Amino acid sequence: SAVISQKPSRDICQRGTSLTIQCQVDSQVTMMFWYRQQPGQSLTLIATANQGSEATYESGFVIDKFPISRPNLTFSTLTVSNMSPEDSSIYLCSVYSPRQGGYTFGSGTRLTVV
Amino acid sequence: AQSVTQLDSQVPVFEEAPVELRCNYSSSVSVYLFWYVQYPNQGLQLLLKYLSGSTLVESINGFEAEFNKSQTSFHLRKPSVHISDTAEYFCAVDQAGTALIFGKGTTLSVSS
Repeated sequence: SAVISQKPSRDICQRGTSLTIQCQVDSQVTMMFWYRQQPGQSLTLIATANQGSEATYESGFVIDKFPISRPNLTFSTLTVSNMSPEDSSIYLCSVYSPRQGGYTFGSGTRLTVV
Repeated sequence: AQSVTQLDSQVPVFEEAPVELRCNYSSSVSVYLFWYVQYPNQGLQLLLKYLSGSTLVESINGFEAEFNKSQTSFHLRKPSVHISDTAEYFCAVDQAGTALIFGKGTTLSVSS
């Protein structure tokens, strides 16, 4: 299955600032997904990112707050903008591999906003 | 729209007892079903999946799940649990690569 390198693994940020999270995949994939896992909660899909098109955001998430880039088939970034303590979560990227019929997840970015 | 309901938020059991973690899904089309496990302070790991074929799927560490289309369920079972099985378990549904939708999770706590 695909291997995902996600950076940074954790960060502590001041409110009002922005953080960009990167995911690098070791193979070309059509679709990449970004999730948020708030403390003690399940994973919530933020958006789906396809190369060459705008990301598709789920209800409750907007591009101004979570801009996503997908410049090629192996890389994507998620930016958490104008952060507040409520943004403190684990953010994960994921890819779908049709060959394996399943999803691979990055190791996650643990974000704390102070 | 697809959704997943995990019927139990917490399941406490004693070591070597059997356990069942319940999962129901809603979807009007064929779906793929998954169970993921998240050990304390660790990342998400795939436990098992149902794509097609046999409705009973097994993992390498003794868990199994049965896809029941008529009851729209995919319950996870293990005949004898260990302390090391203590973790958060997530059921998820996918419609052919469109993204995983997760249930709220079930905390399995195994004590001696």
